[in-house]
Amino acid sequence: GENVEQHPSTLSVQEGDSAVIKCTYSDSASNYFPWYKQELGKGPQLIIDIRSNVGEKKDQRIAVTLNKTAKHFSLHITETQPEDSAVYFCAAKSNTGNQFYFGTGTSLTVIP
Amino acid sequence: NAGVTQTPKFRILKIGQSMTLQCTQDMNHNYMYWYRQDPGMGLKLIYYSVGAGITDKGEVPNGYNVSRSTTEDFPLRLELAAPSQTSVYFCASSYSYGTGRAGANVLTFGAGSRLTVL
Repeated sequence: GENVEQHPSTLSVQEGDSAVIKCTYSDSASNYFPWYKQELGKGPQLIIDIRSNVGEKKDQRIAVTLNKTAKHFSLHITETQPEDSAVYFCAAKSNTGNQFYFGTGTSLTVIP
Repeated sequence: NAGVTQTPKFRILKIGQSMTLQCTQDMNHNYMYWYRQDPGMGLKLIYYSVGAGITDKGEVPNGYNVSRSTTEDFPLRLELAAPSQTSVYFCASSYSYGTGRAGANVLTFGAGSRLTVL
């Protein structure tokens, strides 16, 4: 099955700085890569996703990049704010499979 | 629009007891999933369903059972609870009809059910 690795496990940044979270995957058949944000006591919520026919996608302060050759994808958050503090999960899914495979999560703290 | 609703939010069980975690969604999603979340381990898939009457095992199915008699409901049954089943459980749902369509495969999660087995 697919193996998704996520780094770092914890990340602290000053407000206004950028944060980068990286994930690698093992299955070349994976073609859908979502990122979820989980706030304390809540379920994960989709913040951005990318499909394998695209190399980069941006939504305001959040961007995701995908390198299919190297099998890695990254989440970039610019101009971080305290409300960005949360746990972030990457995931991978193939078009032929029914399962999402999640990374182990990154706890992001934005220091005011 | 309620989305995905899970009950109960919290539960304490004694070893050997049984219980059912309820999950219902009102978005007419065809796929439903049960995950467990343990500290530092991310989300692990327990069971999933691609439609009413169809269920399949995920990565960690042992000790659990599911059923999908309707599109809306996907209960998770714990038989003979063990301390290893102490976790936070999340139900999720999605449309899954190929990656080409907008919105396909977007998981909507419930708020979670925290289970402690003592």
